[in-house]
Amino acid sequence: KNEVEQSPQNLTAQEGEFITINCSYSVGISALHWLQQHPGGGIVSLFMLSSGKKKHGRLIATINIQEKHSSLHITASHPRDSAVYICAVRRGNEKLTFGTGTRLTIIP
Amino acid sequence: NAGVMQNPRHLVRRRGQEARLRCSPMKGHSHVYWYRQLPEEGLKFMVYLQKENIIDESGMPKERFSAEFPKEGPSILRIQQVVRGDSAAYFCASSPGGIGEQFFGPGTRLTVL
Repeated sequence: KNEVEQSPQNLTAQEGEFITINCSYSVGISALHWLQQHPGGGIVSLFMLSSGKKKHGRLIATINIQEKHSSLHITASHPRDSAVYICAVRRGNEKLTFGTGTRLTIIP
Repeated sequence: NAGVMQNPRHLVRRRGQEARLRCSPMKGHSHVYWYRQLPEEGLKFMVYLQKENIIDESGMPKERFSAEFPKEGPSILRIQQVVRGDSAAYFCASSPGGIGEQFFGPGTRLTVL
């Protein structure tokens, strides 16, 4: 079993829909990251969380440390949100361990 | 404040040649991490370096791969005698240390012919 599990693996939605991507992990962590990667593109850090909730524009990330679970939400989704979203966890100042990613496609 | 810089962005090598990938961290960052993304696979940790020190190389293949982060200049990931299986995107990330956020470079896409 991977240390970091994401669901769903693939998600297709209509423009405007509310999107939720889930991440569960099995180890104690110091922080959790949500990353975005466009096809053939670089990796953009969306959020780093150690507790609670963060919001940036239409993106919201939450984490429940006790349940070892985090969610990434996108409100009013847009075709430009189409990308792979990756959850990654970290212990201390060490390396990141990544989930396998969720491929999101938003249809106009 | 420039972000993490990686060069080259694309690198083509023939089997048996050497590949050198460079990473310049963000200003003020002294911690560098290298990650590899094989085609159609997720990201995997390779090595974690601070200036002049390798902190964790548990993700590095045992042979042909080495990394350094000298006192001056960029971090270098070196792959000797490349094989087709080395074809991948190699990403570097930097952080200021502690539990500071890691910021990623644009990656180097290595193709081995």
